[in-house]
Amino acid sequence: EAGVAQSPRYKIIEKRQSVAFWCNPISGHATLYWYQQILGQGPKLLIQFQNNGVVDDSQLPKDRFSAERLKGVDSTLKIQPAKLEDSAVYLCASSRDRGSYEQYFGPGTRLTVT
Amino acid sequence: DQQVKQNSPSLSVQEGRISILNCDYTNSMFDYFLWYKKYPAEGPTFLISISSIKDKNEDGRFTVFLNKSAKHLSLHIVPSQPGDSAVYFCAASDNAGNMLTFGGGTRLMVKP
Repeated sequence: EAGVAQSPRYKIIEKRQSVAFWCNPISGHATLYWYQQILGQGPKLLIQFQNNGVVDDSQLPKDRFSAERLKGVDSTLKIQPAKLEDSAVYLCASSRDRGSYEQYFGPGTRLTVT
Repeated sequence: DQQVKQNSPSLSVQEGRISILNCDYTNSMFDYFLWYKKYPAEGPTFLISISSIKDKNEDGRFTVFLNKSAKHLSLHIVPSQPGDSAVYFCAASDNAGNMLTFGGGTRLMVKP
């Protein structure tokens, strides 16, 4: 079974530029999560999807961050415009459904904003 | 407001000895707890979990203990191996959509 795929693995941009991250969850997993992990901290949930619907986006800074999962499979997370404090690793995770506690994580995208 | 705290940022243990990683939480609504292990440049991987109806769960060399009255859980690794060197995250869920709240992590170093 293939794991959660993410791309790109690394990205360096200047502040005020835009950036997009892509995630492909494990096949058949209905629930998808995006986390932000700042250096030295634990992952913080940004948004949770169930199929192609948003379950929780209470911690997503909606003035600059957006995410979609149009066909209930792949997902993209976008930041526009980026700020210095957005430098972090962005992790995508998936689980079989909302009743599953265990989440499977991708390798993450390390974003550096200069 | 950190609802899940791992107060030890790092821990160094000799190979073959016991490693004990600690985690405290403040939200009494949390009812399921997980430990994840993370190697550099990789995503966290699930290690072991425990429901609030239990006080102990064991899987091979890994045991998680839960003390609900103290809002404290710990992960014991016996015996510790150099391959166990990684960052360990404690996470908790309140069963409301399975959103996980993570602690800040503890870096474990197992010396040969």
